[in-house]
Amino acid sequence: ETGVTQSPTHLIKTRGQQVTLRCSSQSGHNTVSWYQQALGQGPQFIFQYYREEENGRGNFPPRFSGLQFPNYSSELNVNALELDDSALYLCASSPPPVAGVAKNIQYFGAGTRLSVL
Amino acid sequence: GDSVTQMEGPVTLSEEAFLTINCTYTATGYPSLFWYVQYPGEGLQLLLKATKADDKGSNKGFEATYRKETTSFHLEKGSVQVSDSAVYFCALSETNNDMRFGAGTRLTVKP
Repeated sequence: ETGVTQSPTHLIKTRGQQVTLRCSSQSGHNTVSWYQQALGQGPQFIFQYYREEENGRGNFPPRFSGLQFPNYSSELNVNALELDDSALYLCASSPPPVAGVAKNIQYFGAGTRLSVL
Repeated sequence: GDSVTQMEGPVTLSEEAFLTINCTYTATGYPSLFWYVQYPGEGLQLLLKATKADDKGSNKGFEATYRKETTSFHLEKGSVQVSDSAVYFCALSETNNDMRFGAGTRLTVKP
């Protein structure tokens, strides 16, 4: 069974540019969530996609946007990059919820490390 | 809003020592609780989980009990190994879309 895969692993951009990060969800998982993890901190929730629609969003500006495709893979797009956007971006996929089982069990990819210069 | 507070690190232990990493949470309802581990250069791996009060999650010798009365989910292991060196994150989820993480606790185990 293939786990969550993210690409690229590392990326260097300059301020003002745009970036697209990609994520393939684990087989059988129909929900994808994206997180930003700054150095030395815990992941912060950006948004979640379910059935190709945004299904919840954290406290991130509109220049952070996303897509989910029919095969449940997903993209994170960030426009007008700022220096503070430098972080590890994590994608997580979740299986369909099951009654009586923990809510929102998520399985993470290895992340994309974005550096903005 | 919901939040998680973790014991500040770093934590340094000798091999075979007992480990406790404290975690307390604030939530309006009945969240699910998780511990994730992050090894250097990798993403997060689910270590254990608990769904309701008094549930005990366990995996690879690690345990944590969901304590509603103290709003806590402390991580314990009886005898740590060098290979347990990593960053540990406590997290909660009250809905099916938003997971809140603590700031993480770095554990270093020395031989």
